[in-house]
Amino acid sequence: NAGVTQTPKFQVLKTGQSMTLQCAQDMNHEYMSWYRQDPGMGLRLIHYSVGAGITDQGEVPNGYNVSRSTTEDFPLRLLSAAPSQTSVYFCATAGGLETQYFGPGTRLLVL
Amino acid sequence: AQTVTQSQPEMSVQEAETVTLSCTYDTSESDYYLFWYKQPPSRQMILVIRQEAYKQQNATENRFSVNFQKAAKSFSLKISDSQLGDAAMYFCAYRSADISNFGNEKLTFGTGTRLTIIP
Repeated sequence: NAGVTQTPKFQVLKTGQSMTLQCAQDMNHEYMSWYRQDPGMGLRLIHYSVGAGITDQGEVPNGYNVSRSTTEDFPLRLLSAAPSQTSVYFCATAGGLETQYFGPGTRLLVL
Repeated sequence: AQTVTQSQPEMSVQEAETVTLSCTYDTSESDYYLFWYKQPPSRQMILVIRQEAYKQQNATENRFSVNFQKAAKSFSLKISDSQLGDAAMYFCAYRSADISNFGNEKLTFGTGTRLTIIP
């Protein structure tokens, strides 16, 4: 039981490049979400999903796309990376009213 | 919209002593959950303790306990017998208990308190 996994752990991008951050869970949780963590700002919600085929925007969605084709996976896409997207990204999952469990994070540097 | 405020950016405590981290929140809801998460240098977010708003009894997990004051919208974390491994960023978070609306499962975080343990 791996819980929540994220890949890659660290990535460097150039401005304008695209990439996908991967998140996978094996807990059969319906709810999955992406947060970004910036210094002095805590964690902020980017996008979330309440089940396969259902996604919605969070607090800071601009510049990011998501899709949810399976219960297990919830990738986050950056279509054209910008320096403002330099951050640490966390994926989290929850089942119903249970506690949210976080992945180990992906550190992204956009030059 | 809910907000969570942690007014202490940094705290320090002597090893084996007790420290209290503060958190206040604002909400118009009557039923919700409150959490404290710990983030050590590894960056992993680790759940420390959880409190359901409908429960009057304060939650306790070993050396960690909370003082939940619903009327005052206050949710402080007390760490007893502080250990070197307690050094981390601590985040207070809020979550609605109403799951009838999509998105209510999201967590709203405070800005964190960095706790240093002095040997």
